[in-house]
Amino acid sequence: DVKVTQSSRYLVKRTGEKVFLECVQDMDHENMFWYRQDPGLGLRLIYFSYDVKMKEKGDIPEGYSVSREKKERFSLILESASTNQTSMYLCASLLAGVGDEQYFGPGTRLTVT
Amino acid sequence: DQQVKQNSPSLSVQEGRISILNCDYTNSMFDYFLWYKKYPAEGPTFLISISSIKDKNEDGRFTVFLNKSAKHLSLHIVPSQPGDSAVYFCAANRGKTSYDKVIFGPGTSLSVIP
Repeated sequence: DVKVTQSSRYLVKRTGEKVFLECVQDMDHENMFWYRQDPGLGLRLIYFSYDVKMKEKGDIPEGYSVSREKKERFSLILESASTNQTSMYLCASLLAGVGDEQYFGPGTRLTVT
Repeated sequence: DQQVKQNSPSLSVQEGRISILNCDYTNSMFDYFLWYKKYPAEGPTFLISISSIKDKNEDGRFTVFLNKSAKHLSLHIVPSQPGDSAVYFCAANRGKTSYDKVIFGPGTSLSVIP
């Protein structure tokens, strides 16, 4: 059973703070993703990574960066948090070449005040 | 401009009846479609998928229908159960290797009333 874990379920940060969201998967998947989920907008892709140290921008990368130093870990970084980054953040992983289903973590509800 | 639309934000169905969740897309390049289910405080989980070469895919109580000419797909749940109450996301991408371009719809919240 694939397990994707996220470091925090709830997080409250102040405007301008640097924020780290961590994601770990235990199934040796090559591909990992960060999404944000907002009401009425569904899930929007921020960044994804198809290998260690590799990253690609998704649809809404502005204000975010990522890091993938190890295969199992994919971090999302908000360099200077802003109130419009208040959202639910979801991490996912996928095994390359084996269908398209992504395995999601439980999500981190981030509030920036 | 949303490329994947789920025009019903919510749906209520009686237990035992059929639930029909609809999804429309605008990009004719999409050729693989997925449905995910999401419970509160959990991440989405994969439910069922369909390739554009098919018009129907069935898995137990869940069936997805695809009408390419209308750019429309639907998820049927028969019979509906209270445990099916969740948010359902429709997703589309351009083929099995284009996972980086998966586009999700806004979701439909299904309530199955006992």
